Amino acid sequence: AQSVAQPEDQVNVAEGNPLTVKCTYSVSGNPYLFWYVQYPNRGLQFLLKYITGDNLVKGSYGFEAEFNKSQTSFHLKKPSALVSDSALYFCAVRDIGTGRRALTFGSGTRLQVQP
Amino acid sequence: GAVVSQHPSRVICKSGTSVKIECRSLDFQATTMFWYRQFPKKSLMLMATSNEGSKATYEQGVEKDKFLINHASLTLSTLTVTSAHPEDSSFYICSAGTPYNEQFFGPGTRLTVL
Repeated sequence: AQSVAQPEDQVNVAEGNPLTVKCTYSVSGNPYLFWYVQYPNRGLQFLLKYITGDNLVKGSYGFEAEFNKSQTSFHLKKPSALVSDSALYFCAVRDIGTGRRALTFGSGTRLQVQP
Repeated sequence: GAVVSQHPSRVICKSGTSVKIECRSLDFQATTMFWYRQFPKKSLMLMATSNEGSKATYEQGVEKDKFLINHASLTLSTLTVTSAHPEDSSFYICSAGTPYNEQFFGPGTRLTVL
């Protein structure tokens, strides 16, 4: 069975500082990996994905994530945080080997960027 | 990215009534749509996978007779919560899958059952 772990319930960072939101995954086959952001009472907005190719993936709003197969991680990063980045972030995985198209989500990490 | 709409965005109903939520992919055809439920400060839990023209596939523990899903066209899937009870109050989110392995999410529907 596939699973995703986001070990931090909340991450606090000062505006202008780099941020990292951690994600590790477990799948039986190869993973497709995703990051989504959710603002209050809203649906999820797609940030970026890793399917294949370069391990460093660049996405929307200056975010990027690095796929690390040996550590089964896909941490989300941004060089310089903005107050407007404050939101709930979800990591998700799809196990290609199962043929299942649905995503499995992590528990979410709340990012708080202080001015 | 692609646009997915949900209607209504918010609904309040009495216990025992049924509520229908629509999910539409506005600018692409989605052969597969997904319905999720999100509890406060919790992650999304997949309820069912909806395939156009066929029966939905429900996750374990989700009552298919209570949560009726219809995917009649490539741009529309509906979730009907039948005989709703207060414990069904939640945030329901749909997503539409593209051939490029992305899922685009609707804005969600807040259901409150009194």
